[in-house]
Amino acid sequence: AQRVTQPEKLLSVFKGAPVELKCNYSYSGSPELFWYVQYSRQRLQLLLRHISRESIKGFTADLNKGETSFHLKKPFAQEEDSAMYYCALSGGQGGSEKLVFGKGTKLTVNP
Amino acid sequence: NAGVMQNPRHLVRRRGQEARLRCSPMKGHSHVYWYRQLPEEGLKFMVYLQKENIIDESGMPKERFSAEFPKEGPSILRIQQVVRGDSAAYFCASSRDSYEQYFGPGTRLTVT
Repeated sequence: AQRVTQPEKLLSVFKGAPVELKCNYSYSGSPELFWYVQYSRQRLQLLLRHISRESIKGFTADLNKGETSFHLKKPFAQEEDSAMYYCALSGGQGGSEKLVFGKGTKLTVNP
Repeated sequence: NAGVMQNPRHLVRRRGQEARLRCSPMKGHSHVYWYRQLPEEGLKFMVYLQKENIIDESGMPKERFSAEFPKEGPSILRIQQVVRGDSAAYFCASSRDSYEQYFGPGTRLTVT
């Protein structure tokens, strides 16, 4: 079964501190992993995907197939990073690229 | 490009009524996905459509729910005889070639 687990519902850090949002997945095959972000009163938007290996807004995420994890990291958190973060995977059968989402982590960066 | 549009943004229905949720994909996008988000939950896939075709409806409840994406006009998610458990946020996403999905602002359905 396809499953994405985000163990932390809430995460609070101070500005300038490192932040790591955890994501573990269960999937038989080679999924594609994503991080989506939803800022207050805005729509869900793609933050990054593992195949692009980019750093967006200072965030990075490395796919660890051995640990089936795709943790999101940023060395120095900023107040504007406060948002809901969702980890998701894709790899549906029959060519459907449906996304399977975790329940999300609400990140609060305090001044 | 205005982005994915959804209307209405808020919809209140009494138990037993029908709910119709509309989604206009981004210009040039022919793939549409519907997701549902219950309180305190992540988004859950419902259905994936291309123009005039349902590609994957594995997440759709077997009864009362239907979706379409006609040749002309928006995609419609239809819920017949709504019950309180249908209260949720319904999100639509579109993509050009099943690559990156762009999300709409969602429709919040409340069943009283």
